[in-house]
Amino acid sequence: SYVLTQPPSVSVAPGQTARITCGGNNIGSKSVHWYQQKPGQAPVLVVYDDSDRPSGIPERFSGSNSGNTATLTISRVEAGDEADYYCQVWDSSSNHYVFGTGTKVTVL
Amino acid sequence: QVQLVQSGAEVKKPGSSVKVSCKASGGTFNTYSISWVRQAPGQGLEWMGGIIPIFGTVNYAQKFQGRVTITADESTSTAYMELISLRSEDTAVYYCARGIIPYDYGDQFDYWGQGTLVTVSS
Repeated sequence: SYVLTQPPSVSVAPGQTARITCGGNNIGSKSVHWYQQKPGQAPVLVVYDDSDRPSGIPERFSGSNSGNTATLTISRVEAGDEADYYCQVWDSSSNHYVFGTGTKVTVL
Repeated sequence: QVQLVQSGAEVKKPGSSVKVSCKASGGTFNTYSISWVRQAPGQGLEWMGGIIPIFGTVNYAQKFQGRVTITADESTSTAYMELISLRSEDTAVYYCARGIIPYDYGDQFDYWGQGTLVTVSS
């Protein structure tokens, strides 16, 4: 089955840039989506199709995808960005959705 | 605005079963897939399976094959997830989530339910 690997944690100071990676075999050939989840809440889509943002999501959230790594970038990090972040793809070989292992972003 | 409202928390004994509901409102129910995603305490998101209500076609993750049944009632715009032979490891928050592609699976989830905590304990 297809596996997506994320770093368990990323720490960043306010105003700096956080980069969260999502590794998978030839992930660049898939569309990657990113969710933000705050404690006790359901996930919220923040980036879809590698780099697009749903309405209402700040421009500070951006994404890229190439080769074996997709990246979610949060610019000018704010305290409110502290959350868990998950990448997700559709694996067409198994016809299953796959989530990454998740990354906890801590704002110092 | 689409809303997915799930049933309330459940406490179950090991070996029993649980059925969680997800009622949709504010949009077209039967043409978009509804998936179930669970999250054990302190753990990540895990896709369990989904259904496209208009077709009744289901798609289950291999891990849950034989233990999970996902159904949908178009008349009430409600999807259901039943998990049998419960064990302590099934203690988790269970979410329903809507796919964005009509008539198919794939891509991302745009709307999520609020989650239902299922606790399995003797």
